[in-house]
Amino acid sequence: EAQVTQNPRYLITVTGKKLTVTCSQNMNHEYMSWYRQDPGLGLRQIYYSMNVEVTDKGDVPEGYKVSRKEKRNFPLILESPSPNQTSLYFCASSVQETQYFGPGTRLLVL
Amino acid sequence: GQSLEQPSEVTAVEGAIVQINCTYQTSGFYGLSWYQQHDGGAPTFLSYNALDGLEETGRFSSFLSRSDSYGYLLLQELQMKDSASYFCADPNAGKSTFGDGTTLTVKP
Repeated sequence: EAQVTQNPRYLITVTGKKLTVTCSQNMNHEYMSWYRQDPGLGLRQIYYSMNVEVTDKGDVPEGYKVSRKEKRNFPLILESPSPNQTSLYFCASSVQETQYFGPGTRLLVL
Repeated sequence: GQSLEQPSEVTAVEGAIVQINCTYQTSGFYGLSWYQQHDGGAPTFLSYNALDGLEETGRFSSFLSRSDSYGYLLLQELQMKDSASYFCADPNAGKSTFGDGTTLTVKP
């Protein structure tokens, strides 16, 4: 089954404790992205990747890092999480103009 | 930069037709996509307009006018399950921008 998976689905952490949210797709897509979704603000792109080892900033990259060492994986790294990074995070992979979203990761930073 | 504006809420009755508008101000506009998101779920792709005109997919249609920087999503024969949030977006070859979403409530 073609899908995008994210782990963990739910995470509660404390300020400053490094964390990684994994994202994997099995559709051989070149493009992958990370978004955060906050109430009333829609989806805001954090980072995107056009292929292995090619990444670029989206609209809200501050406080986040990404890597793309393999085509299927695109982890999101929060080196020192802060409460304002509490949000719902979506990973997506895309072919042409169609994006396929993962199920989301709910993050709470205390 | 890019910004896409859409109404925050729309309400309609079952069986009716509803139109969700999206206006955009972008440099280097690529095209207009539409996504549906049910509460707590992941967004799912509905349609994409690269060119001006109407694209039809079952009960859903999407329209784009580049000269007016405007597009819309048209939902016909509304069903209760259509209650969801709808987002317009410019995919822009990877650097995507989404509108803030329109919450559609379908009433019996």
